[in-house]
Order: sequence, then C-alpha cells, then structure tokens
Amino acid sequence: DTAVSQTPKYLVTQMGNDKSIKCEQNLGHDTMYWYKQDSKKFLKIMFSYNNKELIINETVPNRFSPKSPDKAHLNLHINSLELGDSAVYFCASSPPGEGNQPQHFGDGTRLSIL
Amino acid sequence: SQKIEQNSEALNIQEGKTATLTCNYTNYSPAYLQWYRQDPGRGPVFLLLIRENEKEKRKERLKVTFDTTLKQSLFHITASQPADSATYLCARGGNSGNTPLVFGKGTRLSVIA
Repeated sequence: DTAVSQTPKYLVTQMGNDKSIKCEQNLGHDTMYWYKQDSKKFLKIMFSYNNKELIINETVPNRFSPKSPDKAHLNLHINSLELGDSAVYFCASSPPGEGNQPQHFGDGTRLSIL
Repeated sequence: SQKIEQNSEALNIQEGKTATLTCNYTNYSPAYLQWYRQDPGRGPVFLLLIRENEKEKRKERLKVTFDTTLKQSLFHITASQPADSATYLCARGGNSGNTPLVFGKGTRLSVIA
C-alpha cells in the first residue's frame, strides 16, 4: 500500500543515453512534483503538475521532459544524459486545499552516469 | 529571492536531552514553514507545518516555533532517542496547496546512547 512509488530505485547508465523514471501515487492527490537532490543533499524543485497540467518548470534543461498521462502518474524522461545529471530524483504529491499542504515523497531514484 | 538556511550541518546530542534545530529565512516571512525527516536512502517524511501567525505547534515529542522578528523557526525533539537520528529538513511553502517547497540543506542529527 505504498503511497508514492518510483521505479527504478537505481539507474546506472552511460553518458549520452536516454532513460525514464516512473512515479505513481495512490493517494488521490491532484498535484505531483519532481525534485532533484544533488551530491550535497540539497533538494530542489524541477517540475510540478496539477491535474496533468504543467504548472512549474524551474529552468530545467529541455533534455528533461515530464509526462503526466493521468493525475496519478508523473514520469520523467531524460535525453542525452550528462555526468551532471547524477543525483537522486524524488517524486512527490500533495492534496488540494487552501493553504500549504504537506507533501508525500517517494523513496527516490538514484541515477548514476558513467 | 528568499533563502531557507539551516546553518548547522550536523548536531550530536546525548540520549534523553532536547535537540534544537534552527532554520532561518531571508527577506520576507513565508506564509508556512514545514519540517521533514529524511533517513538514508529514503524520501523526506512530513513532520509538522506551522503558519506565519502561529507561534508554536506540537506533536508528541516534537515542537516547532515560528519567530517572525528573528526570521527563524526552531524545531525541538524532547527526550531524544537514538531512533531520532536522521536528517531534518526545513522548507517554506507558498499560499496554495500546490506550491513547490523550497528546502534548506538540512541538519543531520545524531542521538548518542
């Protein structure tokens, strides 16, 4: 009964390859996010989607393309992977409502570029 | 732009004592501050949320304060236990439910038995 699940948990690949990370939430939330946590453990927003529509793109290179087929899923496709893309990527979701809402995070996908 | 700063990278404390973690913000006061716990290899887990107009919030052994004069939030764990050892993240939120969080770098707490 995992609330926010990401696959794969680990991803090791060569520079220049294209890869995807999948995220699903079973909480019935409207909003989903992708965050990146770099080697210094700093967690930073990349994208947010509300009801399948892109709301925020935080100056992420266009090699990163999120896709939300429905409001329970938010996938992240990365083209032409670079060494600097090595990080842990977290998916999160939050419920609708007035005021700031707590976010529920997946356990992350650790991406390593060789 | 506003920054969230957790200046202590690590904090060691004896079991049974109260751990106090600090989160400072710059410029304007955020409408909300949230605190999360992150264990190695896991995603952040929500702990507490405090609004700008609330001075204090409690949940079991946890307490959060919000001081708009000092531009600071303090996070307290009373009667700390080794199981409380983790990284604690402070984050500011916006006014709507779907505003992304802006996180501090976190403080790694170690509770020593």
